Amino acid sequence: EADIYQTPRYLVIGTGKKITLECSQTMGHDKMYWYQQDPGMELHLIHYSYGVNSTEKGDLSSESTVSRIRTEHFPLTLESARPSHTSQYLCASSATGRSTDTQYFGPGTRLTVL
Amino acid sequence: AQSVAQPEDQVNVAEGNPLTVKCTYSVSGNPYLFWYVQYPNRGLQFLLKYITGDNLVKGSYGFEAEFNKSQTSFHLKKPSALVSDSALYFCAVRDLIKAAGNKLTFGGGTRVLVKP
Repeated sequence: EADIYQTPRYLVIGTGKKITLECSQTMGHDKMYWYQQDPGMELHLIHYSYGVNSTEKGDLSSESTVSRIRTEHFPLTLESARPSHTSQYLCASSATGRSTDTQYFGPGTRLTVL
Repeated sequence: AQSVAQPEDQVNVAEGNPLTVKCTYSVSGNPYLFWYVQYPNRGLQFLLKYITGDNLVKGSYGFEAEFNKSQTSFHLKKPSALVSDSALYFCAVRDLIKAAGNKLTFGGGTRVLVKP
């Protein structure tokens, strides 16, 4: 198992609430990623970061925001949750370099917005 | 642009029989190719990758994959499937030159069901 952690693992919350999904890794990886996984399985990249103070939008537009103040920490925030945000969110990290570019994933957060 | 196709939504196989999960890719340059497995309520686990060198790559849990440049394929194989291999399998590609930030593109996933 990779040393990448996500909390909470499961979250059920009402519409309009602000939520933050936590992701931390202890591997010293410079790059981190957030993916959204549909009920139909497909993964979509929603945010990524090259390093501290670097964040980029991914391939799928998302109303969430991210920050990267510390190398090991890459939280994702939804200011006002909606039922359309119900999904599984997966965090991953990787290190720069040809032999270390494998992305390692956390266990995921399953979010349900009522 | 880079893309990956997994043509089968589901693969059913009897325990002890060979397992193959298909993947084809498209990139502008040379590809990095990956296979991941996802068990229920878990994140993705890395199985194996191809970067360069030998076209046959061996990975975790007895899995292997063969890179075929002419067919732009990277099929995952296991000689003798176990019931515990039942899971979701994802193929992913990264364009060696053109994909910024180590961005991967994932296939849609293939559900493998191994029956006793």
